[in-house]
Amino acid sequence: GENVEQHPSTLSVQEGDSAVIKCTYSDSASNYFPWYKQELGKRPQLIIDIRSNVGEKKDQRIAVTLNKTAKHFSLHITETQPEDSAVYFCAASKGSGGSNYKLTFGKGTLLTVNP
Amino acid sequence: KAGVTQTPRYLIKTRGQQVTLSCSPISGHRSVSWYQQTPGQGLQFLFEYFSETQRNKGNFPGRFSGRQFSNSRSEMNVSTLELGDSALYLCASSLIRGERGEQFFGPGTRLTVL
Repeated sequence: GENVEQHPSTLSVQEGDSAVIKCTYSDSASNYFPWYKQELGKRPQLIIDIRSNVGEKKDQRIAVTLNKTAKHFSLHITETQPEDSAVYFCAASKGSGGSNYKLTFGKGTLLTVNP
Repeated sequence: KAGVTQTPRYLIKTRGQQVTLSCSPISGHRSVSWYQQTPGQGLQFLFEYFSETQRNKGNFPGRFSGRQFSNSRSEMNVSTLELGDSALYLCASSLIRGERGEQFFGPGTRLTVL
């Protein structure tokens, strides 16, 4: 089955700096890659996603890049703010067919933005 | 629209008991997935239901089961509880199966097994 590795497990940055979280996946058939943000005691929330027919996607201060050949994708957060502090999870799944919604998650990255 | 809701939010059980958790998806969403979240293993897929049928299953023992009703509400059951079943159980709903598969999570049920 699919395996998703996520690095680093913890990341501490100064407010205003950029943060990068990287994930690799094992199943070349995976074609949907969402990122979730989970604040302490709250539910995971989708912040951005990318499909395999796209190499990069941006939404304000957040961007995701995908390298299908190397089977890795990354989350980039620019101009970080204290409210960006949370655990971030990457995930992968196949976009159609029988395993459509079986998301395989990375272990998470605890991002701390210091004021 | 109301978000995904889960009941109960907190539950304390003892080893050997069984438990049933409930999930109400966003109105109109027909796919419901269940995940177990623990500090050690992270988020792990349990199963997915669509149109009252289990479509996918993760690598969990048969003690974990679920069902979906005609209104898309879903329940999961864990029998013969073990200490290791203590976790946050999250359900997520999706509008349709296919290309647009964004999943929206509920707040979770925190299960503690003593």
